[in-house]
Amino acid sequence: DAGVIQSPRHEVTEMGQEVTLRCKPISGHNSLFWYRQTMMRGLELLIYFNNNVPIDDSGMPEDRFSAKMPNASFSTLKIQPSEPRDSAVYFCASSLAGGNSYYGYTFGSGTRLTVV
Amino acid sequence: KQEVTQIPAALSVPEGENLVLNCSFTDSAIYNLQWFRQDPGKGLTSLLLIQSSQREQTSGRLNASLDKSSGRSTLYIAASQPGDSATYLCAVIVYNTDKLIFGTGTRLQVFP
Repeated sequence: DAGVIQSPRHEVTEMGQEVTLRCKPISGHNSLFWYRQTMMRGLELLIYFNNNVPIDDSGMPEDRFSAKMPNASFSTLKIQPSEPRDSAVYFCASSLAGGNSYYGYTFGSGTRLTVV
Repeated sequence: KQEVTQIPAALSVPEGENLVLNCSFTDSAIYNLQWFRQDPGKGLTSLLLIQSSQREQTSGRLNASLDKSSGRSTLYIAASQPGDSATYLCAVIVYNTDKLIFGTGTRLQVFP
C-alpha cells in the first residue's frame, strides 16, 4: 500500500484565493482525519469522517474552511478565501476503527500551505 | 476536555545514553495511546501503539509503557543514536470518539 497520499506537497497562494487540499486514504480504512500543524498551536484536529460521513467538525476554525469526502478513497479540505494566518502544514490521516478496536493512525506527508 | 502534555519539551544528549520521554493525559478514558516521530519538515511516523488493556509495547530499542489509571506513558529509548534526533509526539484516542489528541512534543537531539 502506498500509504496516505496528499497533494499538493507545497502550495503558495495569494490572500483571498481559494485553496483545495487533497487526500487519498489507505484502502480499507474507514476513518479520515484532517489536522493542521503550526509552531504556536501544535497539531490540531480540524475534522474527521467515519464511513465518508463528517462526525466532528468542531475544530474547523471558521466558515472559510470546508471539507468533503465524496467516497471512501478521496477527501478535500478547502479554504475560501485564504488568509495569511492559514499558513501551516495540513496533514491527512486515516485509520481502521470499529467498536472498541482501534489500529492506530497513518499520516500522509502533509501539505505545506503558505498564504502571502 | 482531554489535554496531553509532554516533558521535557526539548532534550539534548550525547550518543549512547538511555532516554525517557514522558507523556501525561488528563482523562484516563482512552482507547489507546500512540507514539510518533516527526523529522523536521516531514510527516509523522508511527512508532508504537499501546491498547488501553496493555501495559507496554516494544520495538527494537524503543519501549513504551502505559499507566492509564494515572494518565501517564513513557517512551524509553535505549542506546540513543544521532539518527534518533527528531520530535517525538504522543497522542491518545478519546473514548467514545475517534479523536486522536496530540501532546506538545519533545524535541530530541542526540549528538555524536
